[in-house]
Amino acid sequence: ILNVEQSPQSLHVQEGDSTNFTCSFPSSNFYALHWYRWETAKSPEALFVMTLNGDEKKKGRISATLNTKEGYSYLYIKGSQPEDSATYLCASRYNFNKFYFGSGTKLNVKP
Amino acid sequence: GAVVSQHPSRVICKSGTSVKIECRSLDFQATTMFWYRQFPKQSLMLMATSNEGSKATYEQGVEKDKFLINHASLTLSTLTVTSAHPEDSSFYICSGSGQGVEAFFGQGTRLTVV
Repeated sequence: ILNVEQSPQSLHVQEGDSTNFTCSFPSSNFYALHWYRWETAKSPEALFVMTLNGDEKKKGRISATLNTKEGYSYLYIKGSQPEDSATYLCASRYNFNKFYFGSGTKLNVKP
Repeated sequence: GAVVSQHPSRVICKSGTSVKIECRSLDFQATTMFWYRQFPKQSLMLMATSNEGSKATYEQGVEKDKFLINHASLTLSTLTVTSAHPEDSSFYICSGSGQGVEAFFGQGTRLTVV
């Protein structure tokens, strides 16, 4: 079992603040890095999947970067809104079929 | 994104009975289905991977006779927890992957064995 770590565990920010989370993972045999947004009682929503070192993806106010050489990915949220409150999960994928999830970062955005 | 429908969302069963959980891909063909389990305050743990028409590949420590996985079609995979015991109580969730690299989750099933 590979260790995928996310930090921080939880984050409380004010509406309008920008924030970022970290996902670190073993880089050997790396295949892809997935970010998901998970609201209570809903399915985890796929945000990004990245495969190449230096990949950057953006969707609205949310963006992510990937460094496969050093084994980390950042997720950024610009101008946080209350509806961004959720748990953000990263999963590192190896040899196509092996997913290893971090414990998630729980974001709470206060109006 | 693509949709995976998972049922039931909650189930309570008696010890010794079996429970079947279904995951259906509604708008894509899930050639691969991943099954996970999550204990309280822990990460999602991959239990097994199934490819349509093939036997599932189980992760180390997961009993294949306890957790039966069937992936008979490109839109349906099932996980059956056989002879369930209270220690099997957990959150089970599936994710399906088609031809691309993305994987889409179901809603999860909260199993309670009493």
